[in-house]
Amino acid sequence: NAGVMQNPRHLVRRRGQEARLRCSPMKGHSHVYWYRQLPEEGLKFMVYLQKENIIDESGMPKERFSAEFPKEGPSILRIQQVVRGDSAAYFCASSPRYWGAGNTIYFGEGSWLTVV
Amino acid sequence: QQPVQSPQAVILREGEDAVINCSSSKALYSVHWYRQKHGEAPVFLMILLKGGEQKGHEKISASFNEKKQQSSLYLTASQLSYSGTYFCGTETFTTGNQFYFGTGTSLTVIP
Repeated sequence: NAGVMQNPRHLVRRRGQEARLRCSPMKGHSHVYWYRQLPEEGLKFMVYLQKENIIDESGMPKERFSAEFPKEGPSILRIQQVVRGDSAAYFCASSPRYWGAGNTIYFGEGSWLTVV
Repeated sequence: QQPVQSPQAVILREGEDAVINCSSSKALYSVHWYRQKHGEAPVFLMILLKGGEQKGHEKISASFNEKKQQSSLYLTASQLSYSGTYFCGTETFTTGNQFYFGTGTSLTVIP
C-alpha cells in the first residue's frame, strides 16, 4: 500500500491524557501536512513539516500541541492534556516536493480522536 | 489565507447541474479540488495550474481565472455519487507551499 498511512484510526482519551497520532507519508514524499476537522466543519491547516524541519506551524494552537517529522520514522502529532474540544478528525497529507507544477497533496484516512 | 467558497450548500436532483466557486484574497499559483464523503478522507479530483485552464474528471470540470484569483467547479448531469462536501485547496506564491482549504460546499444529490 503506497498511500498515506495514519494510525490509530480511532483513539479515545480521557481528559488530561496525551494523544499521539502517527503519519507515514506516501513513498517518495518528504512533505507532511496536518489538518484538523471538527464535526461538520472544514479542514483547518495546523502544521507543515519536512524531514526534521517545521516549515509552518501557524495553525497550531500555542499550547499542548506539537508536531515532528524525524529523519527516520513517521510524523507525529502530539496533543498533551487533551480536553473535550480536541475531539476531531486529524488528517495527515503528504506531497513529493516543495513547489506546485502538478504537485498536490494526498490525504490519509484520518485519525478520529474522542476525548471523554 | 483561507479561500472562500460559495454556495455553502446546494441540493440537486439527479441530472441537474451545479457550480461551486472558490475565491482567494491572494494571488494563486494553483487550485486543487477535493471531494469528501462523510466520515472519509478528502479525495483529490483535479489540479489547475494556469490562468484560464480547464480540466475535466468524468462530468466534473473546473476553470481557473488567475486574474480574478478564483476557480469554479462545474458538475454536469449530477449523479447520486456526487454527494459530499467539495473543498478547494489553494497554493499561493509564498514560501512554504502551504495548502489552505476553502470553507467547503455541501452538495446533496437526491433522486
